[in-house]
Amino acid sequence: DTAVSQTPKYLVTQMGNDKSIKCEQNLGHDTMYWYKQDSKKFLKIMFSYNNKELIINETVPNRFSPKSPDKAHLNLHINSLELGDSAVYFCASSNPGLAGGWDIQYFGAGTRLSVL
Amino acid sequence: GQQLNQSPQSMFIQEGEDVSMNCTSSSIFNTWLWYKQDPGEGPVLLIALYKAGELTSNGRLTAQFGITRKDSFLNISASIPSDVGIYFCAGRGVGANSKLTFGKGITLSVRP
Repeated sequence: DTAVSQTPKYLVTQMGNDKSIKCEQNLGHDTMYWYKQDSKKFLKIMFSYNNKELIINETVPNRFSPKSPDKAHLNLHINSLELGDSAVYFCASSNPGLAGGWDIQYFGAGTRLSVL
Repeated sequence: GQQLNQSPQSMFIQEGEDVSMNCTSSSIFNTWLWYKQDPGEGPVLLIALYKAGELTSNGRLTAQFGITRKDSFLNISASIPSDVGIYFCAGRGVGANSKLTFGKGITLSVRP
């Protein structure tokens, strides 16, 4: 069973479109994250939710809107896509209830977004 | 903000060789972690370190939490082709709201 699953794995779209990426975790974790990995492989956190509440919101354009319907799901909606949004987006989860749990993050396989 | 420095960006070694990677910070960290990312996959945790001076092994991998709390290293012994990938250090600084920060990663290539 996949612990953190993201869909779709690949997403190719035109500039100006709106798209969503879905993430689900079956680990029972309370906290979920979205990261962006650019072409130089640099991983940067975008958002973090704990029990459906936003706890980290880095400087991300407001075209990006996360939504957590329940603690097992954290979806990312992107409006008016731009060329610079092309990247790999990773979802992750952790369980802060465990000692060191905040830190041990489990990542999905990533969504490769290409904006043309 | 907190930054983690990993260099060089790429390393090339021969199969069977040992390799060491370092990660440094200008500020103190409470937690150090090492992740590996295989091509087309997400990062996977290799080793987590929570105490200054801590030395932890996971198979052929050994990592240490520096005494100054500003650095960590990862050693891979007797490398094999499947060690190829990107190795990220990550750390959490001091403070209740401190988030996990990732280094820029080192891409390891292993020549058979």
